Amino acid sequence: GAGVSQTPSNKVTEKGKYVELRCDPISGHTALYWYRQSLGQGPEFLIYFQGTGAADDSGLPNDRFFAVRPEGSVSTLKIQRTQQEDSAVYLCASSLVHVGTGEETQYFGPGTRLLVL
Amino acid sequence: AQKVTQAQTEISVVEKEDVTLDCVYETRDTTYYLFWYKQPPSGELVFLIRRNSFDEQNEISGRYSWNFQKSTSSFNFTITASQVVDSAVYFCALGRRPNTGNQFYFGTGTSLTVIP
Repeated sequence: GAGVSQTPSNKVTEKGKYVELRCDPISGHTALYWYRQSLGQGPEFLIYFQGTGAADDSGLPNDRFFAVRPEGSVSTLKIQRTQQEDSAVYLCASSLVHVGTGEETQYFGPGTRLLVL
Repeated sequence: AQKVTQAQTEISVVEKEDVTLDCVYETRDTTYYLFWYKQPPSGELVFLIRRNSFDEQNEISGRYSWNFQKSTSSFNFTITASQVVDSAVYFCALGRRPNTGNQFYFGTGTSLTVIP
């Protein structure tokens, strides 16, 4: 399909384990975002990539969270030593930033539902 | 600080009624963007509209319309003649220009239930 895809759709893990969540953005989109959405809440910003580099990682809650985008397309969100409070839906969005105006619209993937037992 | 407030947590309407979802935002930026997204039970956020801060013209798209008023920092969303398929959680979001950070700030959402 032409939209943002995320894998896995669901992930159950045990406390203390390491997990990786993958995002495939829309082809040609230079910007990629990760959000976390808890039940009954709006998406909460985690990190933003422009190309390969993390332009803004101020939303990462602590140093257990890390994300990469080595070739400027697919991104992986990595969570070490998972905790129960990490349980949430992790959303990925991609966008094409207009060079002149900076305008952009984010298109979201279906999310990965992470449950830490 | 950037903030989006959606005071209505849940709304229920009977099919064919009109419904307005409120959104109030806070920002010190002079240029910003406002968005509405729909999140159906399947969970995927669906983009509905983007409005630039310098364009206060209201917009209508089919049964959907948006009222942007900078004077009251509001960006309200009206669904006319609601349908059961409109049942979803609706999020209002505030986006910043790249030179001030690209973060999007979402409200807590309004859950709309359209009763047949």
